[in-house]
Amino acid sequence: GAGVSQTPSNKVTEKGKYVELRCDPISGHTALYWYRQSLGQGPEFLIYFQGTGAADDSGLPNDRFFAVRPEGSVSTLKIQRTERGDSAVYLCASSLWAAATDTQYFGPGTRLTVL
Amino acid sequence: RKEVEQDPGPFNVPEGATVAFNCTYSNSASQSFFWYRQDCRKEPKLLMSVYSSGNEDGRFTAQLNRASQYISLLIRDSKLSDSATYLCAVNRVNSGYSTLTFGKGTMLLVSP
Repeated sequence: GAGVSQTPSNKVTEKGKYVELRCDPISGHTALYWYRQSLGQGPEFLIYFQGTGAADDSGLPNDRFFAVRPEGSVSTLKIQRTERGDSAVYLCASSLWAAATDTQYFGPGTRLTVL
Repeated sequence: RKEVEQDPGPFNVPEGATVAFNCTYSNSASQSFFWYRQDCRKEPKLLMSVYSSGNEDGRFTAQLNRASQYISLLIRDSKLSDSATYLCAVNRVNSGYSTLTFGKGTMLLVSP
């Protein structure tokens, strides 16, 4: 079956611009996660959705970052006034639920470059 | 102390070698542990889950030591195709849900 998909695969923008990154989870998965991975680091948790609601946004670095999942499926991560330090790969993952034993399946990521 | 720490790499081994990676975690309440494999410029893919004392899948064995709070991954008879970065992930238990904390990863390079 189809896995997690993310668009765009690459995004180059200028400092100060606004960007939107999209994630389409595996069909039927209620839990959706966003991570950020910088070079040489592991994925860093940003936000978790259960259904339509953001159940845990403790990983968002500041208020320039925001994410939505209005219909409980597709999610969009929005970054305002981008900074060079925002350059990273943004990974989305989904799982059936958010139980401790549920496997998270990752999408291919969006590579964001802020010039 | 970081929540999840892994052996710094890279590990350079010849084909056929046995190699082991270690991962330590700081949250004693963690219940689930995972090893993910990540190829260059690709997404992490689940390699193994570890819920009790250990798990074996072919050439791969993962072990969990709750008392010492570490997880290990053993790869026997290394293949060229095993070259990748191996990420350790530990669940963080919250109120009614679980999220993952990852280590920085350990790179493995298997040479002919």
